[in-house]
Amino acid sequence: DAKTTQPPSMDCAEGRAANLPCNHSTISGNEYVYWYRQIHSQGPQYIIHGLKNNETNEMASLIITEDRKSSTLILPHATLRDTAVYYCIVSTNSGGSNYKLTFGKGTLLTVNP
Amino acid sequence: GAGVSQSPSNKVTEKGKDVELRCDPISGHTALYWYRQSLGQGLEFLIYFQGNSAPDKSGLPSDRFSAERTGGSVSTLTIQRTQQEDSAVYLCASSFAGFWYGYTFGSGTRLTVV
Repeated sequence: DAKTTQPPSMDCAEGRAANLPCNHSTISGNEYVYWYRQIHSQGPQYIIHGLKNNETNEMASLIITEDRKSSTLILPHATLRDTAVYYCIVSTNSGGSNYKLTFGKGTLLTVNP
Repeated sequence: GAGVSQSPSNKVTEKGKDVELRCDPISGHTALYWYRQSLGQGLEFLIYFQGNSAPDKSGLPSDRFSAERTGGSVSTLTIQRTQQEDSAVYLCASSFAGFWYGYTFGSGTRLTVV
């Protein structure tokens, strides 16, 4: 059962902000939103995660709506090397079987020159 | 090395042969995971090792698949009597205990069964 919904593909111009949406309307109160990306022929790479508050790190920003039913990953200045499949995942951070991350098909972001 | 290392990076094998895939996790990471990614698909959980606890093997697709982790470090995924549907990229990841710290994935082993 898919916990998240993402568009299959998006395009972005190099140097512009890339805004990747994710719907997670059934998220539980103790579940976090995680983002990973997978560049071609590589393993997935952790980007960022958050619970309620917006988060920012050196790679990206994560904006979570107040009702937590959706979120947006923002790459502020996309480069060609950001072309990848981006996965949005919801999971608790401890206990149970949280380690069984469910990776859907994600969003293929293509950054164009 | 600083990352998760997997070997071989590519493996072509004949149907019915056995294969072994190796994963060297990041030093100090107590949790180790195997996932499988078929062409154009998302990642499929296979097995999880955490310290000395019994592994969670619930994702292994058949009894032809097995995995072990020796000394709490290196892990080997073995596929016996390979079938064409076993063709996929097999990804290993490691982390500190608990998911909070995020996984670090290796680059995977691309297995092709001909």
